[in-house]
Amino acid sequence: ETGVTQTPRHLVMGMTNKKSLKCEQHLGHNAMYWYKQSAKKPLELMFVYNFKEQTENNSVPSRFSPECPNSSHLFLHLHTLQPEDSALYLCASSQDGGKRKYTDTQYFGPGTRLTVL
Amino acid sequence: AQTVTQSQPEMSVQEAETVTLSCTYDTSENNYYLFWYKQPPSRQMILVIRQEAYKQQNATENRFSVNFQKAAKSFSLKISDSQLGDTAMYFCAFMKPPGGGTASKLTFGTGTRLQVTL
Repeated sequence: ETGVTQTPRHLVMGMTNKKSLKCEQHLGHNAMYWYKQSAKKPLELMFVYNFKEQTENNSVPSRFSPECPNSSHLFLHLHTLQPEDSALYLCASSQDGGKRKYTDTQYFGPGTRLTVL
Repeated sequence: AQTVTQSQPEMSVQEAETVTLSCTYDTSENNYYLFWYKQPPSRQMILVIRQEAYKQQNATENRFSVNFQKAAKSFSLKISDSQLGDTAMYFCAFMKPPGGGTASKLTFGTGTRLQVTL
C-alpha cells in the first residue's frame, strides 16, 4: 500500500530537539489522522483534520503540534519531548462525505518509529 | 463512549489450518462499522475486512470472513487456510459513521498476536 506515505521511517531525538513528522496521502481523501501506538496499549487517536480544519484534539500535550496545509499533507511538529513519547506514530486518511463515494475507511501509512533519548 | 475488547492476546495456528479471532464491543449506536486490520512485523496497518452494522450478511474477503452477531455485539474474524504471511497483530476496530462535518473516528482493541507455524 503506497497510498499513504510517512517520513522519516525512523527518528531518534533528544529531549531538547525540534523535529517534524510528515505524512502525505495520494488517495484524494479529505480527512487525515495522527495516531500514537505504544507497546501494549491500544492505538490512541491524537488529531483529526477534515478539509484542512482540525476537528479533534484528543487532549494531546502542546509539545505535539499538528499542521495540515492541504488535504494531502499532514505534519506533526515535535519539541521538548519526553522519553515516554517514544512510540510508533501512524498517519491515516479517509474519504468522508463530500461529493465522492462515502467510504469512511481509514488507510494507514507505514508509521514513524520515534525514540526520545 | 465505545469500547472494543479482544480477549486473546496471542494465538497460534498451523499452516493451512483455520483460526478464529474474537472481538466484542460495547455501544449504544444502531448504525456503525466494524473493521479488522492486520499489522505485520513491517508495522504497516493493513485493512483486512469491513462490516456495516445494517447488513445482516457476514463480510468475506478471500480467506478472511467474519461472524457478526449484532445482538451479542460480537465480531469475530475467521482465517481459513492460514499462511505464513498471515503472521501479524490483528486489531478489531469500531467506527460510528461521521456526520455534521466531522471525520470518522476509529476505536481500536488491544490486538491479538497471531503466529502461523509450519
